[in-house]
Amino acid sequence: SAVISQKPSRDICQRGTSLTIQCQVDSQVTMMFWYRQQPGQSLTLIATANQGSEATYESGFVIDKFPISRPNLTFSTLTVSNMSPEDSSIYLCSAVQGTRGNTEAFFGQGTRLTVV
Amino acid sequence: AQSVAQPEDQVNVAEGNPLTVKCTYSVSGNPYLFWYVQYPNRGLQFLLKYITGDNLVKGSYGFEAEFNKSQTSFHLKKPSALVSDSALYFCAVRDGRSNYQLIWGAGTKLIIKP
Repeated sequence: SAVISQKPSRDICQRGTSLTIQCQVDSQVTMMFWYRQQPGQSLTLIATANQGSEATYESGFVIDKFPISRPNLTFSTLTVSNMSPEDSSIYLCSAVQGTRGNTEAFFGQGTRLTVV
Repeated sequence: AQSVAQPEDQVNVAEGNPLTVKCTYSVSGNPYLFWYVQYPNRGLQFLLKYITGDNLVKGSYGFEAEFNKSQTSFHLKKPSALVSDSALYFCAVRDGRSNYQLIWGAGTKLIIKP
């Protein structure tokens, strides 16, 4: 499967600032997703990044707080805006290739964010 | 509603013994089932999947999983555990009509003791 390069791998940020996380895939993908994960816990889907259009956000997540871009079929960014300590988490980028629902997703290495 | 249950927060196994990590699911259509593993400070790695056909699926690192439609289960197994198998394991399901979104279990921490 393709490889996702996600960066930064970790960051410590001041409250009120913003951080942009980047995901670069080494080949074209059909779908890209952004997740949040507390250490040792399950994944929560933030949004589906749509190529060339606005992302589709899950309940509880809004574009003003988590703006997402996907300018092409291999790249996406997630920005965590106006951060607070509650935003401290691991953020994961995921992608799917192909057009069949039985295709497995693959993941970036994650970004561990700490807001102080 | 679609859901995935991993009833055990943690499973402890002695090295060399067989291991089982349990997963049950609820979806409205035919399920596509997946297992992923997450090592500390790493992203998730795909282990195996069930699409259709043979109920016993073989995957990476010697893992296999058995699909049981009547019990709506997809338990992960390995005949002989290694200390290096210690990690967090996630079961996920997607029904055939979804837009590629996965429904995730809560995760099971697997600890293999020497």
